[in-house]
Amino acid sequence: RKEVEQDPGPFNVPEGATVAFNCTYSNSASQSFFWYRQDCRKEPKLLMSVYSSGNEDGRFTAQLNRASQYISLLIRDSKLSDSATYLCVVREYTGKLIFGQGTTLQVKP
Amino acid sequence: GEEVAQTPKHLVRGEGQKAKLYCAPIKGHSYVFWYQQVLKNEFKFLISFQNENVFDETGMPKERFSAKCLPNSPCSLEIQATKLEDSAVYFCASSPYQSYEQYFGPGTRLTVT
Repeated sequence: RKEVEQDPGPFNVPEGATVAFNCTYSNSASQSFFWYRQDCRKEPKLLMSVYSSGNEDGRFTAQLNRASQYISLLIRDSKLSDSATYLCVVREYTGKLIFGQGTTLQVKP
Repeated sequence: GEEVAQTPKHLVRGEGQKAKLYCAPIKGHSYVFWYQQVLKNEFKFLISFQNENVFDETGMPKERFSAKCLPNSPCSLEIQATKLEDSAVYFCASSPYQSYEQYFGPGTRLTVT
């Protein structure tokens, strides 16, 4: 079983749609949680950190459920520029990052 | 510098040849992390350094792979006797603290033929 699991997609949605990604992780001792974005196998870039209280950044909302070891990302009003691979990432106590396999999003006009 | 720099951008090696990749962390960052991304977006942690000391090497293959971070020099990742399955993009990231955001370099694409 992978340490961080995501549905690889692809998710094909029209502009303006709302799309949700989910992720589960296996190590209950994991310290911190993130969503990264990767474009065309360039370097991953931090999209947002994820907290149990939930957090929002513009059109993006992330949520962590520690009890069920589940992380989510909601994107509202999708834009063409949101097309990318979204990586669910968990940080261990040593600082190393464990990546999910990524979910591909394609937003169509 | 203000960005993590990685060289070269692309590296092509025949099977059995040596490959050496370089990473210059952001100035003032004490931690350096190496990750390998193979096809299908599979990222794998390899090794981390705190300054010139190995901090966590739990992801490093036992054979053929080695890494160093020496004072006043870029960090390096070396693969002896490359194999086809070593073909991947190798990303380096740096961070000022162990549990702080990691800033990624643009990666080195290694192709083993």
